Amino acid sequence: QVQLLQSGTEVKKPGASVKVSCKASGYSFPSYGVTWVRQAPGQGLEWVGWTAPYNGNTNTAEKLQGRVTMTTDTSTSTAYMELRTLRSDDTAVYFCARHGNGADYWGQGTLVTVTP
Amino acid sequence: SYDLTQPPSVSVSPGQTANITCSGDRLENEYVCWYQQKPGQSPVLVIYQDDKRPSGIPERFSGSNSGNTATLTISETQPMDEADYYCQAWDSSILYVFGTGTRVTVL
Repeated sequence: QVQLLQSGTEVKKPGASVKVSCKASGYSFPSYGVTWVRQAPGQGLEWVGWTAPYNGNTNTAEKLQGRVTMTTDTSTSTAYMELRTLRSDDTAVYFCARHGNGADYWGQGTLVTVTP
Repeated sequence: SYDLTQPPSVSVSPGQTANITCSGDRLENEYVCWYQQKPGQSPVLVIYQDDKRPSGIPERFSGSNSGNTATLTISETQPMDEADYYCQAWDSSILYVFGTGTRVTVL
């Protein structure tokens, strides 16, 4: 069965960077894009960006451009999302999802807390 | 930027029909997905490409998209359907945009 397993909770200081991993299994990793979505406490879903493992193409939400890097490692079927220069309003649960017909399978989420 | 607007909340009695709207400029020109999210859980895709149900999603969930409004309909609503629902549109130009979210309460 399709599974996306994300790395664990992170606590970071403002200005630091965080790298979240998302290990896929149960499907051909290169054949589907990976979408990243975040959700601040008590708030709605916010798209972060998208990456295509098969060719490395990426697209990032305009408000995060310049601070986000999304990569994939097809040898380990793992996607990564790095967010730099963290601010308090980056505190959120970060989800990865397989992009098939929409975001059809989701990881369990990774809580990133930015606190002084 | 492209905005998708949903009502903050919808209340429905068990067994009745809930309609959740999602409004955006010329939305009918985009593919729309709908996600269900229960507290503390990851979202679940319930509708894709406007009106298609993924395997395992009950038939009581249906979708439509016309003009500037997409609609998620939950027929014969059950208490287990109580959740937050988000629409999402995407195409090659706007990529992913999520709606503001609607909390469905089954009274």
